Amino acid sequence: AQTVTQSQPEMSVQEAETVTLSCTYDTSESDYYLFWYKQPPSRQMILVIRQEAYKQQNATENRFSVNFQKAAKSFSLKISDSQLGDAAMYFCAYSEYNNNDMRFGAGTRLTVKP
Amino acid sequence: DVKVTQSSRYLVKRTGEKVFLECVQDMDHENMFWYRQDPGLGLRLIYFSYDVKMKEKGDIPEGYSVSREKKERFSLILESASTNQTSMYLCASSFSVTGLSDTQYFGPGTRLTVL
Repeated sequence: AQTVTQSQPEMSVQEAETVTLSCTYDTSESDYYLFWYKQPPSRQMILVIRQEAYKQQNATENRFSVNFQKAAKSFSLKISDSQLGDAAMYFCAYSEYNNNDMRFGAGTRLTVKP
Repeated sequence: DVKVTQSSRYLVKRTGEKVFLECVQDMDHENMFWYRQDPGLGLRLIYFSYDVKMKEKGDIPEGYSVSREKKERFSLILESASTNQTSMYLCASSFSVTGLSDTQYFGPGTRLTVL
């Protein structure tokens, strides 16, 4: 079964600085999707960013961008100009193309210091 | 905006009780999912459903069952609650055609405590 590994249980960043959250995954598939989800304290989990494996260009959403290294099976999330509202649990997830089975990492708790 | 709602934010039950967790989505999504979230383990899939009355087991279905009688509603049932089922339960839904994976939208979660 595919596995997703987030090696950083906790990270912290100073407000306005940049932070990178790591994610690696294991798969033998060539077509798949990768996601970063954000879960703020006591609030709903929401999608931050999504990447299709067939696309070479890294996805970006405003201050959030990914570094997708397909050969290395790495999918890191970069948050630029960190804001207090970015404090949350971040989950990396993998899903095969044509399959609804989504696999999640254990999560990284991000603290933003004012 | 997609809205996924869950019947309770917090629930306390006793060992052996039958527990129902309800989830409703308002975007006509085909797929619905139940996960449990535990610290250090991320989210683990309990069951999912890709159509009314259809269900598939996830990674940890033991001790759980599900029901999907209407497209918008997906229920998780704990037939006889046990203390090791104390957890956060998350419902999600997604729209997909011909099984293609798509973004999942999550409910707020139900924190269940079994005493």
